[in-house]
Amino acid sequence: NAGVTQTPKFQVLKTGQSMTLQCAQDMNHEYMSWYRQDPGMGLRLIHYSVGAGITDQGEVPNGYNVSRSTTEDFPLRLLSAAPSQTSVYFCASTKDRASYEQYFGPGTRLTVT
Amino acid sequence: AQRVTQPEKLLSVFKGAPVELKCNYSYSGSPELFWYVQYSRQRLQLLLRHISRESIKGFTADLNKGETSFHLKKPFAQEEDSAMYYCALRKGRGSTLGRLYFGRGTQLTVWP
Repeated sequence: NAGVTQTPKFQVLKTGQSMTLQCAQDMNHEYMSWYRQDPGMGLRLIHYSVGAGITDQGEVPNGYNVSRSTTEDFPLRLLSAAPSQTSVYFCASTKDRASYEQYFGPGTRLTVT
Repeated sequence: AQRVTQPEKLLSVFKGAPVELKCNYSYSGSPELFWYVQYSRQRLQLLLRHISRESIKGFTADLNKGETSFHLKKPFAQEEDSAMYYCALRKGRGSTLGRLYFGRGTQLTVWP
């Protein structure tokens, strides 16, 4: 199993550009999440999904969209990048809502200039 | 509302010294508490959870409901313990079951 994979590893965007961060898992996990990690702020939840076709907002959803058309994939879209979105983004998955362990991807480091 | 507080952003100790990373939480229900660790150039991973009451890599953490704390302790720190540590809370039930609420993290450095 590859676990949770994320692409790209690094990305530089100009203000106003859009892009999609990819996340995939091969463990047949129902529950998937996107976090951003900023110095001194810890991990903050952007969006999450409890299953294919079901998504919900976390604590910092503004400026991001998600969809979950398959169990495996959970892409995060930045509609119009802003410097405030410079961060490291982590995708995570959990077997289901009753399970306790989240498995994290390696992260995507995004810089918006 | 739930909240996880890690009061120390940075913590430094010498090898062989005891280490304690503090975590306090606020939540009116019965939470599950966890410690996650991120070693340099590695993924964030679960270190331990309060329910299991086990020792992992020499670390232990006891849930103190009276003080609403879940401090992580190790009697003799090793250089390989240097990492970022996150305390996390999960609600026991409700519509947000499954969500983890993270503290801001403590960067532990163990000097030789």
